[in-house]
Amino acid sequence: GAGVSQSPRYKVAKRGQDVALRCDPISGHVSLFWYQQALGQGPEFLTYFQNEAQLDKSGLPSDRFFAERPEGSVSTLKIQRTQQEDSAVYLCASSISSRTLNTEAFFGQGTRLTVV
Amino acid sequence: DAKTTQPNSMESNEEEPVHLPCNHSTISGTDYIHWYRQLPSQGPEYVIHGLTSNVNNRMASLAIAEDRKSSTLILHRATLRDAAVYYCILRDGQGGSEKLVFGKGTKLTVNP
Repeated sequence: GAGVSQSPRYKVAKRGQDVALRCDPISGHVSLFWYQQALGQGPEFLTYFQNEAQLDKSGLPSDRFFAERPEGSVSTLKIQRTQQEDSAVYLCASSISSRTLNTEAFFGQGTRLTVV
Repeated sequence: DAKTTQPNSMESNEEEPVHLPCNHSTISGTDYIHWYRQLPSQGPEYVIHGLTSNVNNRMASLAIAEDRKSSTLILHRATLRDAAVYYCILRDGQGGSEKLVFGKGTKLTVNP
């Protein structure tokens, strides 16, 4: 595809349910990021992959959040035992380089998660 | 990560220039200045970035103060499609994390 693709676009989960959010980055992009965006706020960093290696997971809010990128392309963000405060838009971004200092990141449209 | 300060909101009229300010008084010598924007119900979109010199691209211009403690994103002729939240972000050039650290940004309203 031409851009970063995320699925599903919308997800409604009952409290306590596990969810899995998928990100297809731009082909060949080395770096992949996950962000969480609450209503009216800027995106907040969750985790970063360089190929299949998870180099930074400092933003994951709890051990209920888990991300993987096993083959260095598609990534999945899993949230176990969802809670209402997990309701947010989850954004995925990719970048062609391992050093993103001087390159741009491409974002997907996000997955809106609502926990009821 | 070094902090940036932006006004919460700005208004402009269609086809007029817009100057979006950003203060970053604690910027280090190796920090790049990046701008992203986020249209309603979309993911953020890259706009422009620079280090010391002013930069131009098809979307906008970036004017960087000589002391690098502030910068201005310039949209030369605002259109209704430029209505978005604009984020000014510093990227750590000294081996810091690769992540982008977003603040609250400036919400730009463009009046027809």
